[in-house]
Amino acid sequence: DIVMTQSPDSLAVSLGERATINCKSSQSVLYSSNNKNYLAWYQQKPGQPPKLLIYWASTRESGVPDRFSGSGSGTDFTLTISSLQAEDVAVYYCQQYYITPLITFGPGTKVNIK
Amino acid sequence: QVQLVQSGPEVKKPGSSVKVSCKASGDTFSSYAISWVRQAPGQGLEWMGGIIPVFDTTRYAPKFQDKVTITADESTGTAYMEVSSLTFEDTAVYYCARQSSYHYFYMDVWGKGTTVTVSS
Repeated sequence: DIVMTQSPDSLAVSLGERATINCKSSQSVLYSSNNKNYLAWYQQKPGQPPKLLIYWASTRESGVPDRFSGSGSGTDFTLTISSLQAEDVAVYYCQQYYITPLITFGPGTKVNIK
Repeated sequence: QVQLVQSGPEVKKPGSSVKVSCKASGDTFSSYAISWVRQAPGQGLEWMGGIIPVFDTTRYAPKFQDKVTITADESTGTAYMEVSSLTFEDTAVYYCARQSSYHYFYMDVWGKGTTVTVSS
């Protein structure tokens, strides 16, 4: 299995400031034949199901605000919220789908307002 | 826009089984894989397994191989997930989610979740 880790476990950011979440996979999730990173990001607000934000490491899902962006390749990835809004308070998860169907998620990063 | 509507909360006794349903509406059911994801109280997300209805093929995470049975009824656009031999550790919210295609890649549509409580 590919083990996903995230850092930090939680962070508090002032409104309008940048939030950065890191995700690391135990092996590369870059598929060389198509040069795609098999990694997604989700947002989960309290009492709600997860919501897809980013797939292929950097492709924003339709309707997701452009303050959310994904970057990275291979084993190291980042989700950035460029200007934190109150509605962004949530837990964020990364997920690899390189070894399918053995999908694995990171443990989550909780984002709060400072 | 596709929606996944899950069955209601369940309270079960240890040793019993529970079957949760997930009905798709608004889009073709069979063209996608449907996965089931578990979230224990205060914990993260755990992929349990999935089904591709058009091929009627199932895949399971090793941890759930002997614990969970996933089925689908194409005629009604409904997927099912049954958990057997329930223990207190099976208390969780169970989500169904649509994969982006018939590959187990990312999940773009999620049900609201079904809370299963195991209590004596």
